[in-house]
Amino acid sequence: DTAVSQTPKYLVTQMGNDKSIKCEQNLGHDTMYWYKQDSKKFLKIMFSYNNKELIINETVPNRFSPKSPDKAHLNLHINSLELGDSAVYFCASSQDLYSFGGGQGETQYFGPGTRLLVL
Amino acid sequence: SQQGEEDPQALSIQEGENATMNCSYKTSINNLQWYRQNSGRGLVHLILIRSNEREKHSGRLRVTLDTSKKSSSLLITASRAADTASYFCATGSNYQLIWGAGTKLIIKP
Repeated sequence: DTAVSQTPKYLVTQMGNDKSIKCEQNLGHDTMYWYKQDSKKFLKIMFSYNNKELIINETVPNRFSPKSPDKAHLNLHINSLELGDSAVYFCASSQDLYSFGGGQGETQYFGPGTRLLVL
Repeated sequence: SQQGEEDPQALSIQEGENATMNCSYKTSINNLQWYRQNSGRGLVHLILIRSNEREKHSGRLRVTLDTSKKSSSLLITASRAADTASYFCATGSNYQLIWGAGTKLIIKP
């Protein structure tokens, strides 16, 4: 009955490789996100999708490409991995996109994280 | 850019004491949220306070919001070892939540 799940939990790979992280939510939410958390615990938004439509695409290298096949899934593909990509990547979902409505629907639910280590 | 900034960066207290963490932000908000992250886990939502609210309670948690000072505080009363975690505030801007670096709270038995 996991609400937001991510696979894999750990990913160790060589520089230059291509890898994917999968995310699924069973909460029926409309919005999904990818975050990167660095070693100092700073959490930075990478992408958000609302009803399969890309809403936010922060200053992220185009080696990172999100794909949302349906509302319940948001996958992250990373090409040509670099040492600086090592971090924890979190998927999250919310019922509503943060749109200044101020409501509880904007609460975000996080997956357990994927720990990526690039060697 | 970083919107919410938590203070202190780290806090260590004895079990049973109260813990207070602060968050300052820069732009206008409609709500402010607090989340907890246990070591090696994802973030868990604790409480959401709207901009027209000044105080909100949930169990042992008490959150205040002062929009004139652009600041919020999270008070955890009667702390327990299980409260050991990092605590983040998040505020909204341009269709996203922006997060601070968190306060690391350690409860000593």
